[in-house]
Order: sequence, then C-alpha cells, then structure tokens
Amino acid sequence: KAGVTQTPRYLIKTRGQQVTLSCSPISGHRSVSWYQQTPGQGLQFLFEYFSETQRNKGNFPGRFSGRQFSNSRSEMNVSTLELGDSALYLCASSLEDGGGYTFGSGTRLTVV
Amino acid sequence: AQKVTQAQTEISVVEKEDVTLDCVYETRDTTYYLFWYKQPPSGELVFLIRRNSFDEQNEISGRYSWNFQKSTSSFNFTITASQVVDSAVYFCALSGRLTGGGNKLTFGTGTQLKVEL
Repeated sequence: KAGVTQTPRYLIKTRGQQVTLSCSPISGHRSVSWYQQTPGQGLQFLFEYFSETQRNKGNFPGRFSGRQFSNSRSEMNVSTLELGDSALYLCASSLEDGGGYTFGSGTRLTVV
Repeated sequence: AQKVTQAQTEISVVEKEDVTLDCVYETRDTTYYLFWYKQPPSGELVFLIRRNSFDEQNEISGRYSWNFQKSTSSFNFTITASQVVDSAVYFCALSGRLTGGGNKLTFGTGTQLKVEL
C-alpha cells in the first residue's frame, strides 16, 4: 500500500513568486490536511480538505490556499511568497475522522 | 482551545539508558485522540502510537511504552535501553474536533532526543 506522496521534495523560490505543492493521499483516504513546520512556530495546522471541500483553516493569511480533487489528491498554493514562508510543509491523509494520520515526507520550501 | 506541552526541549542520554519523554495536554473535548510521532533528520513524521480518550490502558511495543493518565492529562513515552537510532525529535499531538467538522492535530513543541555511544 503506497504511502502519502508529496512533491516536490525541495523547492527554492524568490520573494514575490507563487508556489504550488502537491499531496497524494493513501488510496481510500478522503481527508487531507496540511501543516507548516518552522523552527520558530513549530508545527501549525494550515487547512483540511474532505471530499473536495475545505472544512477548516488555520490562522494563516489568504495567500495560503488549497484545493482537493475528486481523486482526493490535494494541492496547496502560496502566493506572493515572503521569506517567512520558508518551511517544511507536511501533508497528512486520514481515513477516519481524527483517528489516524499518515504523513508524507514533506516539501521543504526555501524563499530567497 | 487545545494545548500540548512538552517541557523537555532536549534530552541527551548514553546508549542503553532508559528515557522518558513527557507530554501534558489540555482539552475540553470528552472524545479525543493522543499521538506520538518521531521525526528523524529527513523530516517525515513517523507514526508511533495512537490512544483514544477512553482507553487508559498502558501499551508496550518492544522497547517503547506509553503511560496515559487522564487524571493528570499526561501521555508519557518511555524508551527502554535506548539506541543511537532512537535519536530524533519526538512530538506529542492531540486530535481535536473543529467547529466546521473534521479534526486537526495540535502538536507540542517536540523533544530532541540525542542518544550517544
């Protein structure tokens, strides 16, 4: 059974650019959530998607957005990148509500 | 609001020593899940254990054991006979229901465990 796949693994972008990260959940998992990890703020919840609908969003500016497709694959987009957006972005997929999360290897974004 | 506290920022032990990582949580939910994840330098979060709020039975898995006590809101993790491969950052997390439906994980700040020869 394939795990959660995140692409790309590493990304370097310039301030002001935008970026799209991808997450393919475990087959059959309909919930996908995204987390940002930085040395200063730790692991923070970005948003959660279930059946193509964003159910919840964390305390992040509107520059952070996402979507989920009918096959449960999810993308997150960050527009007008800032230096502070440099982080490890982790995606997690879940079968049931709140009971189990499997994480991908993450995308390490560096904004220069 | 939910909160997870891992007071130990960094722990260093010598191989074969036992080590306990502390986790204290706060929640108003009656139904919730607690987790421990391991994060090696490569970055992925590796699932170790999940406990639901109604199951206070302690669990042992090889050299790993977990002690869940609702009375003190604690979910501590012990590694017996530590090994160098145990060196990583360990996160305790709490899964809580959100008003919009669905759940999210609230993480502690993590404990960096260094096991030396």
